[in-house]
Amino acid sequence: AQSVTQPDIHITVSEGASLELRCNYSYGATPYLFWYVQSPGQGLQLLLKYFSGDTLVQGIKGFEAEFKRSQSSFNLRKPSVHWSDAAEYFCAVAQASGGSYIPTFGRGTSLIVHP
Amino acid sequence: GAVVSQHPSWVICKSGTSVKIECRSLDFQATTMFWYRQFPKQSLMLMATSNEGSKATYEQGVEKDKFLINHASLTLSTLTVTSAHPEDSSFYICSARDPGLAGAGNEQFFGPGTRLTVL
Repeated sequence: AQSVTQPDIHITVSEGASLELRCNYSYGATPYLFWYVQSPGQGLQLLLKYFSGDTLVQGIKGFEAEFKRSQSSFNLRKPSVHWSDAAEYFCAVAQASGGSYIPTFGRGTSLIVHP
Repeated sequence: GAVVSQHPSWVICKSGTSVKIECRSLDFQATTMFWYRQFPKQSLMLMATSNEGSKATYEQGVEKDKFLINHASLTLSTLTVTSAHPEDSSFYICSARDPGLAGAGNEQFFGPGTRLTVL
């Protein structure tokens, strides 16, 4: 069975600093990998996804993530954090099923941004 | 992008009553919708997959008689929590898949969630 580990429950950064959120997955084959962001009281918004090809994936809002098969990781990065980035971030892994997928989510990492 | 709405956004009910939560795809037709449950500071747990015109598929451990799912149209799925108890208090999120989108895998679009509090 597939699973996702987000080892950091909370991450605190200063505005303007760089950010890296960790994600490790467990899956037998090549996974589909995702990062979602959830603002308070809101649903999830897809930041980026990896299906195949270039292992460095660019997403929305200036985020990027790198798929490293050898480390079973898909860490999310942003070079300069803005206060509006404060939110809950979820990494997810999925297996393909009939041309589509159902993701399994990690428990999330709460990002706190100090001014 | 595709928009998914949920109604209500927040509901408080007495123990023993039933609560219905609606999930609508506003600008696309969704043959498949998903219902998730999220406990505070925890991940989203898939409860069931809702298919238009057929019975929902429930994940292991989810009581289908307690969480009734109806997907009567291509734009609406409902989740009814029957005989709700305080332990059912949670954040319920739905998502819908837009089959009209091209690409590997169909992206899921998530609703804003419904917070259920059972007294």
